[in-house]
Amino acid sequence: AQSVTQPDIHITVSEGASLELRCNYSYGATPYLFWYVQSPGQGLQLLLKYFSGDTLVQGIKGFEAEFKRSQSSFNLRKPSVHWSDAAEYFCAVGDKTSYDKVIFGPGTSLSVIP
Amino acid sequence: DAGVTQSPTHLIKTRGQQVTLRCSPKSGHDTVSWYQQALGQGPQFIFQYYEEEERQRGNFPDRFSGHQFPNYSSELNVNALLLGDSALYLCASSFSVPYNEQFFGPGTRLTVL
Repeated sequence: AQSVTQPDIHITVSEGASLELRCNYSYGATPYLFWYVQSPGQGLQLLLKYFSGDTLVQGIKGFEAEFKRSQSSFNLRKPSVHWSDAAEYFCAVGDKTSYDKVIFGPGTSLSVIP
Repeated sequence: DAGVTQSPTHLIKTRGQQVTLRCSPKSGHDTVSWYQQALGQGPQFIFQYYEEEERQRGNFPDRFSGHQFPNYSSELNVNALLLGDSALYLCASSFSVPYNEQFFGPGTRLTVL
């Protein structure tokens, strides 16, 4: 069965510092991969997605992610974090064989210190 | 474009009651998926509707049912509510052609007392 793990429950970084959020997935073939962000009281917003091709994906708000098949990973990065980036981040895998059913990881909560 | 809308925003029910949540998809979208997000967890897939039929279902009991209308809007019904049903219920819409991005609504916060 498909699954997603996010090893870090909570991360705190200083404003201006770099950020990397980890994501590992379990899927039998090349998956669709996503990163979503959820601010308090808000719905989910798609940051970026990987379907195929270039393994380094650029997203909105200055985020990028790299797909590494050998490590079954899809880590999210940002070179310089802003206070407004404080939120919950979810990695997700899309099941191509099940009409786009999306399986989410447990999430990583990001706090930003001024 | 209003995006995905959900109603109500908040809801309080007691155990054993029934509840109906509503979702209007983004303009032009024909597929609606529902997710349950318990506090501190990631969203869990409940089911997906396309052409007024349930096309895919997650590991949820039959107490969870849904409906899609000809205008593509959708309802999620939960019968015999349990305390554990307290969660944020998210609706997402997309085009039917796989794979297309799912757009999420703000959710309905259900509290079961």
